[in-house]
Amino acid sequence: NAGVMQNPRHLVRRRGQEARLRCSPMKGHSHVYWYRQLPEEGLKFMVYLQKENIIDESGMPKERFSAEFPKEGPSILRIQQVVRGDSAAYFCASSPSGGLNIQYFGAGTRLSVL
Amino acid sequence: AQTVTQSQPEMSVQEAETVTLSCTYDTSENNYYLFWYKQPPSRQMILVIRQEAYKQQNATENRFSVNFQKAAKSFSLKISDSQLGDTAMYFCAFLYFGNEKLTFGTGTRLTIIP
Repeated sequence: NAGVMQNPRHLVRRRGQEARLRCSPMKGHSHVYWYRQLPEEGLKFMVYLQKENIIDESGMPKERFSAEFPKEGPSILRIQQVVRGDSAAYFCASSPSGGLNIQYFGAGTRLSVL
Repeated sequence: AQTVTQSQPEMSVQEAETVTLSCTYDTSENNYYLFWYKQPPSRQMILVIRQEAYKQQNATENRFSVNFQKAAKSFSLKISDSQLGDTAMYFCAFLYFGNEKLTFGTGTRLTIIP
């Protein structure tokens, strides 16, 4: 049973470009969470999704950031017109359902904005 | 709002010794979980141990155990017989029922000295 798969592991973008980060949850998991980790900090919640639904996006910046989890395929975190401050590690986690369940993390995508 | 505080930014200990990492949290919720995650240099987030708030018995996983003091809102992690592979950042995290987003502390960087 493969774990949570994130790709790419490393992504380099120039200012103004778009970044697309992908996350395939563990088999049987229908809940996906995205977190951001700035250098030397803990993880901060961004968004919580179920298939085709955004449940909680209270941690997501209002502009340039969007997330989706389509019926088929991976969850996508999209950052438009990236700026240097977007440089961070972005982690995806999944769980089989909501509530008090363990969230299993992927290895993260490290985004570097030049 | 829930907060998680880790007051020890860095710790180091000799191999084979025992070390305790501190974590305190603040919440008005009654139904919640607490977690310790480990982040080695590979940056993968690995679940070490979890504790359900309604359970009085402290959780144990091999060399890892917790001291959960609900009234004091304290959740420390004890690592016995420490090994070089325990070198990592350790994050304490909180999750409560009805709000499925983990709140993380700022982490403790633990170094095991050979």
